[in-house]
Amino acid sequence: KAGVTQTPRYLIKTRGQQVTLSCSPISGHRSVSWYQQTPGQGLQFLFEYFSETQRNKGNFPGRFSGRQFSNSRSEMNVSTLELGDSALYLCASSLRLSGGQETQYFGPGTRLLVL
Amino acid sequence: GNSVTQMEGPVTLSEEAFLTINCTYTATGYPSLFWYVQYPGEGLQLLLKATKADDKGSNKGFEATYRKETTSFHLEKGSVQVSDSAVYFCALSEGNTGTASKLTFGTGTRLQVTL
Repeated sequence: KAGVTQTPRYLIKTRGQQVTLSCSPISGHRSVSWYQQTPGQGLQFLFEYFSETQRNKGNFPGRFSGRQFSNSRSEMNVSTLELGDSALYLCASSLRLSGGQETQYFGPGTRLLVL
Repeated sequence: GNSVTQMEGPVTLSEEAFLTINCTYTATGYPSLFWYVQYPGEGLQLLLKATKADDKGSNKGFEATYRKETTSFHLEKGSVQVSDSAVYFCALSEGNTGTASKLTFGTGTRLQVTL
């Protein structure tokens, strides 16, 4: 079974631009979560999408948004980029079972550099 | 809120040495606990997990036991190899269905294994 895939793998943008990152979950997984990883702040939860609806949200400004499509693929958008948005953005997928004991599987990440 | 505390790194060991990476947590309810590993330039790989007290997760010679009384989930391996050099993250997710997909991570511990 194929793992979580993320595109693009690397991206360079300039301040003020916007960017869209894409994530395809493991087949059959309906939940997609996004995380930001930086040397200073570590791994931080951005948001989770399930059945095309945002279910949970971390403590990030409104410039960070996302969506999920009917095939469970998800996109994350960051508008008006700032230098501090330079990070590795990780996507994770899970089944989101009713029992609540989830295991998340991560993709390779998209490394964003903002100049 | 939830939090995870890991020992500071880097941890430098000789090949075949015994490894312990300490992890303690603070959480409400009954979280699930995880160890993820990140190799240079890659995303996170699930190493092992435990979903209830006294469970032992194990994989590739690594083990960790969910200790509710000490709120700990220490990672151990009896004999490390150079190929184990990576950053190790301890993480928890809340037990209830609504937020089970939101992981809280520790800061990560870098392991360097030398010949």
